[in-house]
Amino acid sequence: AQSVAQPEDQVNVAEGNPLTVKCTYSVSGNPYLFWYVQYPNRGLQFLLKYITGDNLVKGSYGFEAEFNKSQTSFHLKKPSALVSDSALYFCAVRSQGGGGFKTIFGAGTRLFVKA
Amino acid sequence: GAVVSQHPSWVICKSGTSVKIECRSLDFQATTMFWYRQFPKQSLMLMATSNEGSKATYEQGVEKDKFLINHASLTLSTLTVTSAHPEDSSFYICSARRGLAGGGYEQYFGPGTRLTVT
Repeated sequence: AQSVAQPEDQVNVAEGNPLTVKCTYSVSGNPYLFWYVQYPNRGLQFLLKYITGDNLVKGSYGFEAEFNKSQTSFHLKKPSALVSDSALYFCAVRSQGGGGFKTIFGAGTRLFVKA
Repeated sequence: GAVVSQHPSWVICKSGTSVKIECRSLDFQATTMFWYRQFPKQSLMLMATSNEGSKATYEQGVEKDKFLINHASLTLSTLTVTSAHPEDSSFYICSARRGLAGGGYEQYFGPGTRLTVT
């Protein structure tokens, strides 16, 4: 069965430090992987996606994510966190099953960046 | 920047009635729009991909006859929840995809519509 997990409900990091928001998935076949962000009082925004090719994907606002097939992970990273990065982050995986495509989102991870 | 609007922002309807939600791309043409549903514990589900001038592509497990999607123009897609029931109460979010001159695309999300079925 297809699934996606964000094992941390919340991540706390100091401004200027690197941040990682974890995502693992379980699918049959090749996955398409996505990260989205929801800032307070604002709508959802697309950050980045992995379809194929280079395992390291660069996205908006200085974020990047690395597709690791052996570990079935797609962790979101940023070298130096900003207070303005504080938001709710969602990982999503899309794959094709017997009944067509299905996209599943993780439950979300709330990131707090302290000044 | 690109703007996507939804109307209404919230709606309350009685069980058994139908309700329509509009999604508009205000300053760009969107050949593709997406409809999502956000459940109370924050998890999102992609419901369908809406293509202008053609039938929507529904994700596995989504009832096509329950959630009617129409993408009649390059700036408007509608989601109609037919014969709504309390379990359909949720936060519905649309997004629109805009192609970029250099290839690829950007995806913009609407603010969402809160549906409550009583």
